[in-house]
Amino acid sequence: AQTVTQSQPEMSVQEAETVTLSCTYDTSESDYYLFWYKQPPSRQMILVIRQEAYKQQNATENRFSVNFQKAAKSFSLKISDSQLGDAAMYFCAYRTYTGNQFYFGTGTSLTVIP
Amino acid sequence: EAQVTQNPRYLITVTGKKLTVTCSQNMNHEYMSWYRQDPGLGLRQIYYSMNVEVTDKGDVPEGYKVSRKEKRNFPLILESPSPNQTSLYFCASRRFTDSVPMNTEAFFGQGTRLTVV
Repeated sequence: AQTVTQSQPEMSVQEAETVTLSCTYDTSESDYYLFWYKQPPSRQMILVIRQEAYKQQNATENRFSVNFQKAAKSFSLKISDSQLGDAAMYFCAYRTYTGNQFYFGTGTSLTVIP
Repeated sequence: EAQVTQNPRYLITVTGKKLTVTCSQNMNHEYMSWYRQDPGLGLRQIYYSMNVEVTDKGDVPEGYKVSRKEKRNFPLILESPSPNQTSLYFCASRRFTDSVPMNTEAFFGQGTRLTVV
């Protein structure tokens, strides 16, 4: 089975600053999908950004961007101009190309300091 | 409004008493799945379903059952709950057909906090 590793259980960032959350994964497949989900205290799982493995260009969604290094199996999330509302648990996730199964990391709890 | 609805949101039960957590989606999605979330372990897939009457095990299926008799519903059944099934449970759905791009977004329910004493 594929594994997803988030090595930073907790991170903090000053408001308006930039923070990068790390994620690595293990797979033997060449095609797959990667995601970052945000889980605020409300527990709702919110899709932040996604990346198709066949695309070399890094995905960007407003203040959120990824650094996708396929050969290194690395998928980090960069949050620019951090806001108080960004405080949440962030999960990195891997999905098989066929779409059958999702694998999640253990999460990184992000605190934003005013 | 497109949504995935789980019920109940909170449940405290006793060991061995059968329970069902319901999940319903109004988006006509083919694919539905269940996850449990535990501290330090992230989300782990319990079961998934590609369409009506088609279900398959995820990573942690022991102690759980599911059924998919209708496209919109995907209940999670605990026949004899045990304390190690105390967890936060999520249901999710997404489109899944040959004509739909594979990168379709998964929609998650609000979660069900289950405590087994």
